[in-house]
Amino acid sequence: KAGVTQTPRYLIKTRGQQVTLSCSPISGHRSVSWYQQTPGQGLQFLFEYFSETQRNKGNFPGRFSGRQFSNSRSEMNVSTLELGDSALYLCASSSVQGLNTEAFFGQGTRLTVV
Amino acid sequence: SQKIEQNSEALNIQEGKTATLTCNYTNYSPAYLQWYRQDPGRGPVFLLLIRENEKEKRKERLKVTFDTTLKQSLFHITASQPADSATYLCALDSNRDDKIIFGKGTRLHILP
Repeated sequence: KAGVTQTPRYLIKTRGQQVTLSCSPISGHRSVSWYQQTPGQGLQFLFEYFSETQRNKGNFPGRFSGRQFSNSRSEMNVSTLELGDSALYLCASSSVQGLNTEAFFGQGTRLTVV
Repeated sequence: SQKIEQNSEALNIQEGKTATLTCNYTNYSPAYLQWYRQDPGRGPVFLLLIRENEKEKRKERLKVTFDTTLKQSLFHITASQPADSATYLCALDSNRDDKIIFGKGTRLHILP
């Protein structure tokens, strides 16, 4: 079956702009989680969606938001971009919520803010 | 809040030897603990999951242990190969509330 698809793979934005990233989970998976990965902080949890509802949220400012659609596809939005938002953004899908099962990660979207 | 520490940023192991990576957490024992492998420019790939009531899990050349007394998980790769070179991440739930936290990872280099 097809894996987790993230689009776009690369993105360059300027400070102050906003950006929307997309994640298509594995067919049948209802949980989608988003992570930010930077060399200094490692992988940090942003939020998790399950059946169109946000179930958990990490410690990120309100500029980071997301949503999930009825087909389980998810989008993540970052408004008023800052230089520090430059990172690899990863999404992961799983069949159930939480850590009780394996998560499948996409290749990520590399966001560069200039 | 829960914190994770993975033993070292980088580890060099001779091919054929056993590589042992450590994941320590600070507070309560998580319900689940997972290990992932990540190659440069790619997303993490799931390797093993161990539950709080399990002491050990194996998969081919991989073995994970979970010691709730020491608040530690060990990840072993036996008969290591250069293809095992990657960054290995451990992950657990932060407060039994399904917020997942990852360690910063250990870069493993298997030397031929």
